[in-house]
Amino acid sequence: AQSVAQPEDQVNVAEGNPLTVKCTYSVSGNPYLFWYVQYPNRGLQFLLKYITGDNLVKGSYGFEAEFNKSQTSFHLKKPSALVSDSALYFCAVRENNNNDMRFGAGTRLTVKP
Amino acid sequence: DSGVTQTPKHLITATGQRVTLRCSPRSGDLSVYWYQQSLDQGLQFLIQYYNGEERAKGNILERFSAQQFPDLHSELNLSSLELGDSALYFCASSVTSNQPQHFGDGTRLSIL
Repeated sequence: AQSVAQPEDQVNVAEGNPLTVKCTYSVSGNPYLFWYVQYPNRGLQFLLKYITGDNLVKGSYGFEAEFNKSQTSFHLKKPSALVSDSALYFCAVRENNNNDMRFGAGTRLTVKP
Repeated sequence: DSGVTQTPKHLITATGQRVTLRCSPRSGDLSVYWYQQSLDQGLQFLIQYYNGEERAKGNILERFSAQQFPDLHSELNLSSLELGDSALYFCASSVTSNQPQHFGDGTRLSIL
């Protein structure tokens, strides 16, 4: 069965600095990878996805993620963080032949002014 | 606005009771998913329906059940409630399983 790990519970960055939120996955087939963001008292919002094609995926709000098959990683990145990016970020994986999507435990990103 | 509507937003009840949570998916979405989010367990996939039929099952307790109706709205029924069932319950919908899921704002269930 597929699984996903977010090794950091918390990431702190200064506004204007680049940010990275890490995600690694495990699947037996081809992975479908997603990033979501959750603001307080709200549901998850879709940021970006990788299914096939270019390893660098661009998403909403200036975020991007790089699919690395050899390292089984799908790290979320942004060149210049904003205070408003502070939220809970979830990585998710689904195998191409499985309808069950697994979410990571989440990483709380705090961007300080 | 994700287009997914969940009601009620908050629900307070007692142990042993039964509740029903409702979800209206985005227009055109055939798949509906239910998740439970708690501090100690994180975000747990419960169950998925596609066009009225159960498609996938996750960590759903036997005390919990769900269904998707012909108009595509879905209900999650929780019975014999325990203190540990206190959590945020999210519904999400998507056009197909390969497409991103769009989440509602959740129902916060508190068991007293």
